Amino acid sequence: GAVVSQHPSWVICKSGTSVKIECRSLDFQATTMFWYRQFPKQSLMLMATSNEGSKATYEQGVEKDKFLINHASLTLSTLTVTSAHPEDSSFYICSARDLGRGSPDTQYFGPGTRLTVL
Amino acid sequence: SQQGEEDPQALSIQEGENATMNCSYKTSINNLQWHRQNSGRGLVHLILIRSNEREKHSGRLRVTLDTSKKSSSLLITASRAADTASYFCATPHSGGSNYKLTFGKGTLLTVNP
Repeated sequence: GAVVSQHPSWVICKSGTSVKIECRSLDFQATTMFWYRQFPKQSLMLMATSNEGSKATYEQGVEKDKFLINHASLTLSTLTVTSAHPEDSSFYICSARDLGRGSPDTQYFGPGTRLTVL
Repeated sequence: SQQGEEDPQALSIQEGENATMNCSYKTSINNLQWHRQNSGRGLVHLILIRSNEREKHSGRLRVTLDTSKKSSSLLITASRAADTASYFCATPHSGGSNYKLTFGKGTLLTVNP
């Protein structure tokens, strides 16, 4: 199946610093990628839709200036958590749609990035 | 509010037994998806069922969809310890055109060897 990778798999940073998380589609091109956040023992919450070549679309309540998304190529989207605080500690997961394979409704998920802000 | 709500929240069974998880949703959908998440890992897409389908099989998985009751069930037959994971149903945002998904709270399945 389609493979999506994330880097890093985990990161620990100090409060006030910025952290960049990469999401890559390895064997397909993805015009649309999605970023989710998951707190312990909870479900995934969609943060934003990343569109190649255009601005991301953020869900209600998600600060666009805090969570910067860049989708500069058809295989890479990045999420930068700016001025991170302990409450930003979470599991961040990206997904992508592979329009060339299977159903366009199917999303392929990355392995996630565990962010811990001290 | 959550579009999908799984039930039960947690399920513990013995290896070899069947596991059934249910999902209810609120608005009209054109498809419903089930995903698995092993602890601390990303999601794995299991199966997608369309609104015009009532039942779908994939290996040991059987999914049903009842649009009149706005509910779906996931049955895992002959469970194995490796099936231990959280299982989420997901539905597309109503009215959306870019395939955004809303996830339920999930069912934590534990299969004891």
